[in-house]
Amino acid sequence: GAGVSQSPRYKVAKRGQDVALRCDPISGHVSLFWYQQALGQGPEFLTYFQNEAQLDKSGLPSDRFFAERPEGSVSTLKIQRTQQEDSAVYLCASSLRVPDTQYFGPGTRLTVL
Amino acid sequence: AQSVSQHNHHVILSEAASLELGCNYSYGGTVNLFWYVQYPGQHLQLLLKYFSGDPLVKGIKGFEAEFIKSKFSFNLRKPSVQWSDTAEYFCAVTSLTTSGTYKYIFGTGTRLKVLA
Repeated sequence: GAGVSQSPRYKVAKRGQDVALRCDPISGHVSLFWYQQALGQGPEFLTYFQNEAQLDKSGLPSDRFFAERPEGSVSTLKIQRTQQEDSAVYLCASSLRVPDTQYFGPGTRLTVL
Repeated sequence: AQSVSQHNHHVILSEAASLELGCNYSYGGTVNLFWYVQYPGQHLQLLLKYFSGDPLVKGIKGFEAEFIKSKFSFNLRKPSVQWSDTAEYFCAVTSLTTSGTYKYIFGTGTRLKVLA
């Protein structure tokens, strides 16, 4: 595909449910980032992969958040036991190298009821 | 901690007015600077970036930004806005972490509305 894709685009979860958000980066892009964007805010860094290695996960807000990129392309962000404060848009971005231009996906809007 | 400040949260302009959106960052090391734009219903996309060299950088659609190191600023400008510039604009800075990775820090964004 030409760009970064994310699925699902919208997810409604009941509090306490587990969710998995998928990101397909641009083919060949080594670097992959996950961000959380709350309403009225800018993207907040969650975690960063270079190929399959998770080099920085300092932005993950709690141990309920887990991300993986096992084969160095597709990545999944998993949130366990979702809470209302997890409601946000989750953005994925990829780039050829860092630091350089990041290409963003459309995001997944997560609503936790 | 590093941070990025965008002073204007909402800006309303008439077509043909000039635009300047402020961006200040707090980081004393080498930085790379970006402006991203999100048009209604679209993804975040790059408007322009500064890595080194001429501190006045030009981007798409007639936008430009000036890096002033002494002021820790990277303000976005456009001499004459169009209705199609209605969007949300984000300033971003990369900084090198102690672990040797790069972190991208975004401002809170400025919503620009251009009246036809």
